[in-house]
Amino acid sequence: QVQLQQWGAGLLKPSETLSLTCAVYGGSFSGYYWSWIRQPPGKGLEWIGEINHSGSTNYNPSLKSRVSISVDTSKNQFSLKLSSVTAADTAVYYCARGAGDYGGLGYYYYYMDVWGKGTTVTVSS
Amino acid sequence: DIQMTQSPSTLSASVGDRVIITCRASQSISSWLAWYQQKPGKAPKLLIYKASSLESGVPLRFSGSGSGTEFTLTISSLQPDDFATYYCQQYYSYPYTFGQGTKLEIK
Repeated sequence: QVQLQQWGAGLLKPSETLSLTCAVYGGSFSGYYWSWIRQPPGKGLEWIGEINHSGSTNYNPSLKSRVSISVDTSKNQFSLKLSSVTAADTAVYYCARGAGDYGGLGYYYYYMDVWGKGTTVTVSS
Repeated sequence: DIQMTQSPSTLSASVGDRVIITCRASQSISSWLAWYQQKPGKAPKLLIYKASSLESGVPLRFSGSGSGTEFTLTISSLQPDDFATYYCQQYYSYPYTFGQGTKLEIK
């Protein structure tokens, strides 16, 4: 049974770079997309971006200028970096596995079926 | 971006009730819709994918329907464990987007 374990710094100052890592245990790393999602306190969910085992990425345009997602296939890990953080980036950050749904013509659509427990990140001076 | 709108935002119901949550997309997303359940302090849990496919291990009282722009999540007989917040999410196009959530409360 696949499990996602995530970690990273929980308290940042404005203008610093957020850095989180998610490790995948008990399942294949290839054949999936791996996502980051965040949830500000008391609010809804926002998709940040995703990466596959080959390093192909997709980002939310609202964060694209500050986001970088990378992968380390030797460790079955993927990581998130978000630069120039402000208080608006305070949130619980989740990693998740994207499982492929075949849509025909060789195209897959990815839904998030396994989630990490979340990491609380607070940005405060 | 595709906007996802859920209704109602809050729903009060009793154990044993049948409840329906609606999700509307701002443009057609075919059947590429997922439903998640989230409890306080926990990660979201996948219930339904491809609009109506039940995730393994999810109780049969949960069901999903719809296509295009209109979708519903139905809980046939509410159980105490079902009181939580529910989110729909489209995975038809980037960026993936979520509804604002429906909080299911005990009446």
